[in-house]
Parts: sequence; C-alpha cells; structure tokens
Amino acid sequence: EAQVTQNPRYLITVTGKKLTVTCSQNMNHEYMSWYRQDPGLGLRQIYYSMNVEVTDKGDVPEGYKVSRKEKRNFPLILESPSPNQTSLYFCASGMRREGTAFFGQGTRLTVV
Amino acid sequence: AQTVTQSQPEMSVQEAETVTLSCTYDTSESDYYLFWYKQPPSRQMILVIRQEAYKQQNATENRFSVNFQKAAKSFSLKISDSQLGDAAMYFCAYGGSNYKLTFGKGTLLTVNP
Repeated sequence: EAQVTQNPRYLITVTGKKLTVTCSQNMNHEYMSWYRQDPGLGLRQIYYSMNVEVTDKGDVPEGYKVSRKEKRNFPLILESPSPNQTSLYFCASGMRREGTAFFGQGTRLTVV
Repeated sequence: AQTVTQSQPEMSVQEAETVTLSCTYDTSESDYYLFWYKQPPSRQMILVIRQEAYKQQNATENRFSVNFQKAAKSFSLKISDSQLGDAAMYFCAYGGSNYKLTFGKGTLLTVNP
C-alpha cells in the first residue's frame, strides 16, 4: 500500500530533551516536506527536500533540523524542544511531475 | 512570495445541497498546481482535487469540482449533493516551481441534516 508513515503518532516530552520524528514513504517520491499546524495559523512549512542530500528551509525552520540521506526517509529533529513547538506535525511526499503531495497521518507533539 | 487566501472561515450547507468554498492566490509564476485538501476530525490531510495551471479545463472528482480562473487567480471548490461525511476543514494550497506548498488558513464546513 502506497503511504507516508510518521512515527510516533503522539509524543509528550520535556523541554530540552532531543527528539526525532521519523517519516518514511514507499512511493519513490523525490519531494518530501515537513509542516506544522497550529490553531489560527494553518499549515506552515518547516523544511523540504527535493531529493537526496538536498534540503531547504521553509517558512518556520527555527528550532528544527532535517536530513535526507535516503530517498525514502526524511526525519525531523528537535535538538532542544521548547513549549512553543507543541503542535501537530505532518510529513508529506510527492513527485514534481504529478504535482501532488501525500500526507502522513500526523504527529501530535506536546512539549512541557 | 506566494500567498493563499481563504476568505470564508466557516461555511454551512444543508445535506444534499451545493456549496462553494472560495480561494484566491497571488503568484508571479505561470506554471503551478493548486489543491484542495480535506481535514476531518481525525486530523488526516486528504487530497480532494488538484488543478494544473496550464490546463484550462476545470478538474472534477465525482461530487467535487473546481472553478479555476487563472487571470483572476481564483480557485473555488464546489461540493455537490453534500453529505454528512463532507463536514471537515478544507484547505486550499498552492504548489509552485520549487514545489513548496503554501496553504490558506482553511474553511470549516458544517453539513446540516
């Protein structure tokens, strides 16, 4: 089944404790991206990647890191999480020529 | 930078009726994609319909269709024969040359029985 898989789905952590949210797609997509969704602000792009070893900042990259060592994986790293990073996070992937982005099921992160 | 505006924070429709959600965008690009996504209470993001800017024909997917006006930079979603399961937040999104997606802030659709 074609899908974008995020883990974990839910996470509660403490301020300053490094964490990684994994994202994997099985559709051989070139493009992958991370978004966060907050009430009243909609979805905002954090980072995106057009291919292996190619990443770029989105609209709200501060406090986040990403890597794209393999085509299928695009982890999101929070090295020192803070409460303002409490949010719903989505990973997405797609092919440029298809012009479509498929989303994972989301990760609900709470930083206390 | 591209912007996407959804001017209707909330809309409601009677079951079996038709409703139109509005979206406008701003861009200087000529080649791009436009999307409507549905987000039900489960919070999953579901692609409803997409439109390629170079295609003049409006996209249609079953009960969902769009009215794409390129010159006016308008991209509205029409839902026909509304069903209770259509109740959700709907997001309009723009995908440009670098395929970065820019989203509007959403329209919450309520379907009344």
